Amino acid sequence: GQQLNQSPQSMFIQEGEDVSMNCTSSSIFNTWLWYKQDPGEGPVLLIALYKAGELTSNGRLTAQFGITRKDSFLNISASIPSDVGIYFCAGQGSAGNNRKLIWGLGTSLAVNP
Amino acid sequence: SAVISQKPSRDICQRGTSLTIQCQVDSQVTMMFWYRQQPGQSLTLIATANQGSEATYESGFVIDKFPISRPNLTFSTLTVSNMSPEDSSIYLCSVEDHSYGYTFGSGTRLTVV
Repeated sequence: GQQLNQSPQSMFIQEGEDVSMNCTSSSIFNTWLWYKQDPGEGPVLLIALYKAGELTSNGRLTAQFGITRKDSFLNISASIPSDVGIYFCAGQGSAGNNRKLIWGLGTSLAVNP
Repeated sequence: SAVISQKPSRDICQRGTSLTIQCQVDSQVTMMFWYRQQPGQSLTLIATANQGSEATYESGFVIDKFPISRPNLTFSTLTVSNMSPEDSSIYLCSVEDHSYGYTFGSGTRLTVV
């Protein structure tokens, strides 16, 4: 099925560093969602974006809905060990079959204390 | 946001047997979604379960292999039938949670031996 291009695939950083990851699509979306998945758990929503150009923060996390509606990025500032996990982007269209979530392949983040 | 209780959290099953996974939501929802997440992979939608009608399956998934029940607005089950090792995955249920994106259960980690 359709998937988003999410990069990077994995990151290994030092505690305190900033992190940036992004997703791109060939289709336009009405909603972008960013999730984090810890081992043995389901994905947990971090940030939801509903409007092109929207920039939203949640603590140390910031995400933006691209102007073209075909991309989004997630930034994590001043990373800490509990940021470790897999981050997924997901896009959603407007109606009917396009309302299914389309998922990125994930960015695996490791933080060295 | 909605709270989802999914069980079992994990199981090890013999090939050829079937496993039924339960998903309970603490509020009434129109649609419930069942996903499969193979090791190290992203999420793949299996089917959408609507109360009072047959589930809608995605390409590559069939009712005989993954029968779904949706007896009321707070509960659904997914059965993985006639299992083989290739069915070893995490299975997740999800609901659309207005203003909160999609909320996920904690998943069922299935190993088929």
